[in-house]
Amino acid sequence: AQKVTQAQTEISVVEKEDVTLDCVYETRDTTYYLFWYKQPPSGELVFLIRRNSFDEQNEISGRYSWNFQKSTSSFNFTITASQVVDSAVYFCALSPGRSGGSNYKLTFGKGTLLTVNP
Amino acid sequence: EADIYQTPRYLVIGTGKKITLECSQTMGHDKMYWYQQDPGMELHLIHYSYGVNSTEKGDLSSESTVSRIRTEHFPLTLESARPSHTSQYLCASKGRTNTGELFFGEGSRLTVL
Repeated sequence: AQKVTQAQTEISVVEKEDVTLDCVYETRDTTYYLFWYKQPPSGELVFLIRRNSFDEQNEISGRYSWNFQKSTSSFNFTITASQVVDSAVYFCALSPGRSGGSNYKLTFGKGTLLTVNP
Repeated sequence: EADIYQTPRYLVIGTGKKITLECSQTMGHDKMYWYQQDPGMELHLIHYSYGVNSTEKGDLSSESTVSRIRTEHFPLTLESARPSHTSQYLCASKGRTNTGELFFGEGSRLTVL
């Protein structure tokens, strides 16, 4: 069974602060994928990143960075110098890495509501 | 930008009505999914399809049904809506790229009175 835990239900910061969203996962698969999605108030989920379980390199994309640590089963997401437009619900998700059949059936965490205040 | 569309965006209906939530994508994606999102935000997979005439139940049991007669179309139907069906329903699709990215529609928010 797969499980994704986002312990932070809500986070509120002031603009320009850095903020880290935590994600801890459980899986018995040796190969898996981890994702982060953003859900703005408009409702659609926007893909941010996918990480393969074999690739533990951290990644930076503009103000966004991701820290994948297999040893602690964590895939944390940091926003540097947050902006009001970053306000959204952020979901961490996990899917099996097996080919065919059940791959890309995502298991989502409960989400973290981030509010960035001016 | 994702080309996946859901209608209606909002629907308020009475108990016992039959409803169909439409989902269409113009990207030629084989894989399509329906997720149910609780008011408390958590998403659960309720149906998926890997191609025409292929449909499977997801991890969360749902009284809804789906069909996949055409690649681009994946409608979800509730034969007799109940207040417990009140939720947001999100449709997604995935192509054959190796990125793992699911493209989501904007969702259909259903309220059953």
